[in-house]
Amino acid sequence: NAGVTQTPKFRVLKTGQSMTLLCAQDMNHEYMYWYRQDPGMGLRLIHYSVGEGTTAKGEVPDGYNVSRLKKQNFLLGLESAAPSQTSVYFCASSYRASGLTEAFFGQGTRLTVV
Amino acid sequence: GEDVEQSLFLSVREGDSSVINCTYTDSSSTYLYWYKQEPGAGLQLLTYIFSNMDMKQDQRLTVLLNKKDKHLSLRIADTQTGDSAIYFCAERPAGGGNKLTFGTGTQLKVEL
Repeated sequence: NAGVTQTPKFRVLKTGQSMTLLCAQDMNHEYMYWYRQDPGMGLRLIHYSVGEGTTAKGEVPDGYNVSRLKKQNFLLGLESAAPSQTSVYFCASSYRASGLTEAFFGQGTRLTVV
Repeated sequence: GEDVEQSLFLSVREGDSSVINCTYTDSSSTYLYWYKQEPGAGLQLLTYIFSNMDMKQDQRLTVLLNKKDKHLSLRIADTQTGDSAIYFCAERPAGGGNKLTFGTGTQLKVEL
């Protein structure tokens, strides 16, 4: 089972460059999320999606855009990368349910902006 | 807004018990979770507790919830070197999207 797959795993960008991080899940989950992880700050939600064609802002959305054109994919874009966006990015997905829902995480993308 | 806090580091000897603490602020949270992150990996769900419970035991893991004080703890009995990881508590506030609010994470180091 592939679960949640993120590409790429590592990337170095120069300030001002753009890139797209891809997240793919094969569990038919309705909900998908992008988090960033920084030392001493835990995981902070950037954007999320509750279904195909929908996106919503999380806690730290500035400087990022997302798209959910297909249910299985959730793309995170950086239009003009800044050093403050150096971080480890995690994608997650979960079922739409009011009860216990487990979020499944990808392996992470380590992004360095120089 | 939601805020989840944890201490950053914990060091224990192999075989001892570890207790990782977490405080949260959103009293509407329905579920509270513990996730484990091993080096270079994503997060994996370790255990959870529903907000109307005050204790849950699962093999070596015991979760205690004090809803009045909004305090959550994870006790790992007979801690092993394989338990060395970062442990995140997370709350799921009421509202749409099943979004989780994570704590800062506690780095557990198990020494021989």
